[in-house]
Amino acid sequence: AQSVTQLDSHVSVSEGTPVLLRCNYSSSYSPSLFWYVQHPNKGLQLLLKYTSAATLVKGINGFEAEFKKSETSFHLTKPSAHMSDAAEYFCVVSEVGYSSASKIIFGSGTRLSIRP
Amino acid sequence: NAGVTQTPKFQVLKTGQSMTLQCAQDMNHEYMSWYRQDPGMGLRLIHYSVGAGITDQGEVPNGYNVSRSTTEDFPLRLLSAAPSQTSVYFCASSYAPRGGNFNEQFFGPGTRLTVL
Repeated sequence: AQSVTQLDSHVSVSEGTPVLLRCNYSSSYSPSLFWYVQHPNKGLQLLLKYTSAATLVKGINGFEAEFKKSETSFHLTKPSAHMSDAAEYFCVVSEVGYSSASKIIFGSGTRLSIRP
Repeated sequence: NAGVTQTPKFQVLKTGQSMTLQCAQDMNHEYMSWYRQDPGMGLRLIHYSVGAGITDQGEVPNGYNVSRSTTEDFPLRLLSAAPSQTSVYFCASSYAPRGGNFNEQFFGPGTRLTVL
């Protein structure tokens, strides 16, 4: 069964500095991995996804993530943080469609704060 | 397309009452799921379905029932509401190419439930 662990519950960075949000996963098969963002009192928005193509995935708003199978990681990065990036970020794993054992699992989330 | 719709948006129940949260999607997605979101705990999977007539339990199924009689609808029933079920509930749908992993999820706007 798949699982996902977000290693930091809260990350705080200064505006203009790099962002790193860490995610490790466990999967019996070849998973697909996603990052979603949720701004306060808003719904969930897809940032980017990995579906077994290129291991370095670029998403919206300057975010990118690298799939590292050997490390079972899918960390989210951004070179320069902006105040509007303050939000909750979720790492998500899915595997093997059309089987009753298949499901999509969320990590517990990382709250990103941006200091002026 | 309306996407994923949820009703109601807000609900207040008394302990012991039952109710059904409605979820519908018009994208012909095979996969549908229910999550609850509580502060600091991310989105936890309650129940999910990989197609009409097929449902399975997620991480926190106790106190909830689901059915999937059609591709479009996936209602969530609270059998006897408890204060611990106070949460925000999200319904989501997804799709997968035959034999492949599930793709990104499309989320409803959420239902904010308070149990007194």
